[in-house]
Amino acid sequence: AQSVTQLGSHVSVSEGALVLLRCNYSSSVPPYLFWYVQYPNQGLQLLLKYTTGATLVKGINGFEAEFKKSETSFHLTKPSAHMSDAAEYFCAVSALYGNKLVFGAGTILRVKS
Amino acid sequence: DTEVTQTPKHLVMGMTNKKSLKCEQHMGHRAMYWYKQKAKKPPELMFVYSYEKLSINESVPSRFSPECPNSSLLNLHLHALQPEDSALYLCASSQAGLNEQFFGPGTRLTVL
Repeated sequence: AQSVTQLGSHVSVSEGALVLLRCNYSSSVPPYLFWYVQYPNQGLQLLLKYTTGATLVKGINGFEAEFKKSETSFHLTKPSAHMSDAAEYFCAVSALYGNKLVFGAGTILRVKS
Repeated sequence: DTEVTQTPKHLVMGMTNKKSLKCEQHMGHRAMYWYKQKAKKPPELMFVYSYEKLSINESVPSRFSPECPNSSLLNLHLHALQPEDSALYLCASSQAGLNEQFFGPGTRLTVL
């Protein structure tokens, strides 16, 4: 079985500040991990993914995430927040095969000017 | 083409109506998905089609009826819905068996 916990349903940062969104997972098999972003009334857009190999993965819009197996974490970071980053972010886990993504509850990011 | 398209964008229907949601992708993906998303919640998986066959039904009420006419199209037929079925309905696709899913923009459904 797999599950995802996103710490903090709301995160607020100032423009230009570091963004850190936390994700911890539980998986009985080697996990595939994803971060998706959702802007209001839109679908989900894939930011980045971890499958195998390099544990630091870079995504779109300047985001990156590091897979830490020992901590069962996959936190999302961005060095400098921009107003356009305000959105809801979902962490998700899956097995390599199987057609099922398990989503976390989501974190709403607010960026203050 | 790396897009998943969904029509209509918005739909308002009465509890006795019959309507359909449509989803299309041209990425050659052989797995397609329907999700339901309520406000401030993550998407909830409803159905998965793999190679045009229904592979997962997450105990969805029969008033929702999926259909996959071919590898590019996915429909969701709606009948006798309840107001609590009002939500954003998202379609997604992926390569068969793999979980990097590409999502469409969704259909905002309101049931009166």
